[in-house]
Amino acid sequence: KQEVTQIPAALSVPEGENLVLNCSFTDSAIYNLQWFRQDPGKGLTSLLLIQSSQREQTSGRLNASLDKSSGRSTLYIAASQPGDSATYLCAVWQAAGNKLTFGGGTRVLVKP
Amino acid sequence: DTAVSQTPKYLVTQMGNDKSIKCEQNLGHDTMYWYKQDSKKFLKIMFSYNNKELIINETVPNRFSPKSPDKAHLNLHINSLELGDSAVYFCASSQQPGDNEQFFGPGTRLTVL
Repeated sequence: KQEVTQIPAALSVPEGENLVLNCSFTDSAIYNLQWFRQDPGKGLTSLLLIQSSQREQTSGRLNASLDKSSGRSTLYIAASQPGDSATYLCAVWQAAGNKLTFGGGTRVLVKP
Repeated sequence: DTAVSQTPKYLVTQMGNDKSIKCEQNLGHDTMYWYKQDSKKFLKIMFSYNNKELIINETVPNRFSPKSPDKAHLNLHINSLELGDSAVYFCASSQQPGDNEQFFGPGTRLTVL
């Protein structure tokens, strides 16, 4: 059974500092890994999708890496801003079961 | 333009009632999903439909019945609501099942009293 873990559960940094968010998964037989952002009381916004054959994806200040063999992904957010405050969720689409399995999320607070 | 929309946004009801949540996507996607996010913020898949056919049905009580009248709509009907059904329900869609990016609706916060 696939399990996705995100550590830490919460993170507080001063504005301008780089953010490093970790995601680990137990079953490496995945099709892809997706990072989402969720603002309080809102839906999920897709940030980056990494296919299982890829090592990383970049979008603006965001960079996500994937090490499938070790079951890890890291989301880097450069030069954090107060507007980056949100909960960040990672999810893997696993080959078995044909479904997306989510981690518990990391709640990020960027202080001005 | 809203890509994935849900109605209602909030739903407060009494135990034992029957209620429905509607979802529509205008992305032209073939696959739609329902997720439940509980009070601890864990998101779990409930159902998935591809081209109006059920492809994923997790261990969800049969009081929950999804209905897909066409590819752009996936509604969720809940019978005999219980206190434990209180959660935020998210609809999502993707081009196809599997290796495609999923797009989420804004969620429906269901509160059962």
